[in-house]
Amino acid sequence: EAQVTQNPRYLITVTGKKLTVTCSQNMNHEYMSWYRQDPGLGLRQIYYSMNVEVTDKGDVPEGYKVSRKEKRNFPLILESPSPNQTSLYFCASTSAREFGYEQYFGPGTRLTVT
Amino acid sequence: GEDVEQSLFLSVREGDSSVINCTYTDSSSTYLYWYKQEPGAGLQLLTYIFSNMDMKQDQRLTVLLNKKDKHLSLRIADTQTGDSAIYFCAESSGGGADGLTFGKGTHLIIQP
Repeated sequence: EAQVTQNPRYLITVTGKKLTVTCSQNMNHEYMSWYRQDPGLGLRQIYYSMNVEVTDKGDVPEGYKVSRKEKRNFPLILESPSPNQTSLYFCASTSAREFGYEQYFGPGTRLTVT
Repeated sequence: GEDVEQSLFLSVREGDSSVINCTYTDSSSTYLYWYKQEPGAGLQLLTYIFSNMDMKQDQRLTVLLNKKDKHLSLRIADTQTGDSAIYFCAESSGGGADGLTFGKGTHLIIQP
């Protein structure tokens, strides 16, 4: 089954404690993205990657890092989380289609930073 | 930069039609999309329209595009309780490979 998986699904942590949210896709897609979703703000792109070792900043990259060492994996790293990074995070993988591109979203990771 | 606007809530009676509206600012938008997010889940592509089209119909869904006014709408005929979700309008000038610009989402509430 084609899917995007994220782990963990829920995480409560404290300010300053480094964490990583993993993302993996089994569709051999080149393009992957990370978004955060906040009430009243919709989805905002954090980082995206167009291929292995190619990453670029989205609209809200501050406080986040990513890496793309393999095509299937695109982890999101918070080196020193702060309470304003409490949010719902989505990883997405992009497939080229006849109408452009379709994004497949993971189930989301709800992060709380206290 | 690009901006996508949509109202936050829409309440309709079961069986009526729902019309969710969206406006966007990027005149170079090539593709426009509607995504659906059910409670506790990620987003799923519902439908799309290419910028040189003005209407697209897919079963109960009708997408209307007014490119001059940069206005997109999604009509759901015979709205059912299973349609209760958040609907996101999204646009991309480059097709979407590097990500989409999303609206804030419209919560569709179904009244019995």
